[in-house]
Amino acid sequence: AQKITQTQPGMFVQEKEAVTLDCTYDTSDPSYGLFWYKQPSSGEMIFLIYQGSYDQQNATEGRYSLNFQKARKSANLVISASQLGDSAMYFCAMGITGGGNKLTFGTGTQLKVEL
Amino acid sequence: KAGVTQTPRYLIKTRGQQVTLSCSPISGHRSVSWYQQTPGQGLQFLFEYFSETQRNKGNFPGRFSGRQFSNSRSEMNVSTLELGDSALYLCASSPSGWNTGELFFGEGSRLTVL
Repeated sequence: AQKITQTQPGMFVQEKEAVTLDCTYDTSDPSYGLFWYKQPSSGEMIFLIYQGSYDQQNATEGRYSLNFQKARKSANLVISASQLGDSAMYFCAMGITGGGNKLTFGTGTQLKVEL
Repeated sequence: KAGVTQTPRYLIKTRGQQVTLSCSPISGHRSVSWYQQTPGQGLQFLFEYFSETQRNKGNFPGRFSGRQFSNSRSEMNVSTLELGDSALYLCASSPSGWNTGELFFGEGSRLTVL
């Protein structure tokens, strides 16, 4: 079974600052993928970034980067230069290679960006 | 390109009734997954359909069922509704698996059971 742990229920960050959202995972499968999704108050889940378990380099997508530390089983999301529009719920998730589109999600972190 | 469309967006039912939710995936996507989101349990996987076949199933009772049609549109049904079924039901589509890491989600159907 897979497990995702997000220990920060809520985070505050000032506009233009960087923020790190924590995510640790647990699985015995050697091949897996890690994801971050953003959920604004409207409810839609928006894909941010993906990291494969065999990827050597940390993934980056614009202002988003994923700090992947395989030995520590962590996949933290770093948002640089925060914007007011980044205020939302953020979910870390994982899927197992060959497991179809069944993802296991963490409990989420509510991020609030302040002026 | 149209996104994932879920209908209805909001609905209210009473205990014991049944409900059917619909999901139209992005054109060309053959996989449709369903998730339930509640404040207490978070996001939980319900099931996944791929080319009209159920490929994966989560740990939900048999009251929760689904199907996928030849045009990839999917429906999920919940029978004998309970108060605890009140949730946001999210549908996600992808071409096949998450090879590139992205599932495309709809805005969800928010079900309230009274």
